[in-house]
Amino acid sequence: AQSVTQPDIHITVSEGASLELRCNYSYGATPYLFWYVQSPGQGLQLLLKYFSGDTLVQGIKGFEAEFKRSQSSFNLRKPSVHWSDAAEYFCAVVSSGGYNKLIFGAGTRLAVHP
Amino acid sequence: DAGITQSPRYKITETGRQVTLMCHQTWSHSYMFWYRQDLGHGLRLIYYSAAADITDKGEVPDGYVVSRSKTENFPLTLESATRSQTSVYFCASNGGGAGDTQYFGPGTRLTVL
Repeated sequence: AQSVTQPDIHITVSEGASLELRCNYSYGATPYLFWYVQSPGQGLQLLLKYFSGDTLVQGIKGFEAEFKRSQSSFNLRKPSVHWSDAAEYFCAVVSSGGYNKLIFGAGTRLAVHP
Repeated sequence: DAGITQSPRYKITETGRQVTLMCHQTWSHSYMFWYRQDLGHGLRLIYYSAAADITDKGEVPDGYVVSRSKTENFPLTLESATRSQTSVYFCASNGGGAGDTQYFGPGTRLTVL
């Protein structure tokens, strides 16, 4: 069965430090991959997505992600974190069952120290 | 305003009561979804719909019922609420094209006492 693994439940970084959030997926074919961000009490907002082409994808708020087929990974990065980036981050893959159903990872909660 | 809305935003109910969560989107998207969010599980799909009058079960459908008589609405009903259904519920929609972005509503926080 398809799955998405986010190995880090919580991450704490200092403001201005770089960030990398890990995501591994299981899927045989080329996947459609997404990163969403959820601020406290809010819905999910799309940061970026990958479904073909350049394996380095740029998103909103200065985030980028790199698709690595050999490692089944789609890690999210940001060179310099701002206090407003504190949130929960979800990686997701479109299900092979069609209808654009998403399979989510458990999420990574990011805390930012001043 | 265009978008996807959910109501109510917060709901407290008692075990055994019927509860309906509403979802409305203004984009005329074909696909709509209901997810529940629980700590340690991320979001899990409850039900989805490909068009009006076409619905199907997701990963965790037990105890829930959906309908979709109009494209823009996709209500979720808990026929007899249980404590295990305490959760945050998100509705989402997308246009149906391959890889289309799924847009999420603000969520409904449901507590079953």
